[in-house]
Amino acid sequence: GNSVTQMEGPVTLSEEAFLTINCTYTATGYPSLFWYVQYPGEGLQLLLKATKADDKGSNKGFEATYRKETTSFHLEKGSVQVSDSAVYFCALSEHSGNTPLVFGKGTRLSVIA
Amino acid sequence: EAQVTQNPRYLITVTGKKLTVTCSQNMNHEYMSWYRQDPGLGLRQIYYSMNVEVTDKGDVPEGYKVSRKEKRNFPLILESPSPNQTSLYFCASRGSGTGNSPLHFGNGTRLTVT
Repeated sequence: GNSVTQMEGPVTLSEEAFLTINCTYTATGYPSLFWYVQYPGEGLQLLLKATKADDKGSNKGFEATYRKETTSFHLEKGSVQVSDSAVYFCALSEHSGNTPLVFGKGTRLSVIA
Repeated sequence: EAQVTQNPRYLITVTGKKLTVTCSQNMNHEYMSWYRQDPGLGLRQIYYSMNVEVTDKGDVPEGYKVSRKEKRNFPLILESPSPNQTSLYFCASRGSGTGNSPLHFGNGTRLTVT
């Protein structure tokens, strides 16, 4: 079956540091890939997505590139801010609308000033 | 404003006392789903619904029921709650079509069963 593995946290960084959160996936087909973010006390919200190989999703300074050859979708940001402190989830979904979203276990990021 | 609304946000109850967590979306989405979030386990799907009167089990359906009588509502029912159902619950929805569509989440319901 489909699965997502992401690096365990927590990750603690100083403001303006470079961020990478690793995500790899296993899928039978060619899924769409997503990063969701959960701020304290809130539900998850979509951060970015990519729907096919070599696509790059980007939003709010975050980027992730769909790498089919390494089955990866690593999240990166060049300079994190305190406001980026949250839990980040990698997820995949097959293109068929009948298949549910499969989530990784989440990575907690804390950014300190 | 497009949103998924869950109620209540916080709920403390006792073992065996039936409860319902409501979920409503105003985006005319066909697909709705319930997840529970637990430390170290991430998000696990409980039930989902592809459309009105169509529901299916997710990964952890035991002890839960759902119904989808109307497109906008997807309540989660715990007939006889137990302490192992203490968790943070999220309702989510998305439009029909391919899996490219992102999920829209509610703000969560924190349930404690004593």
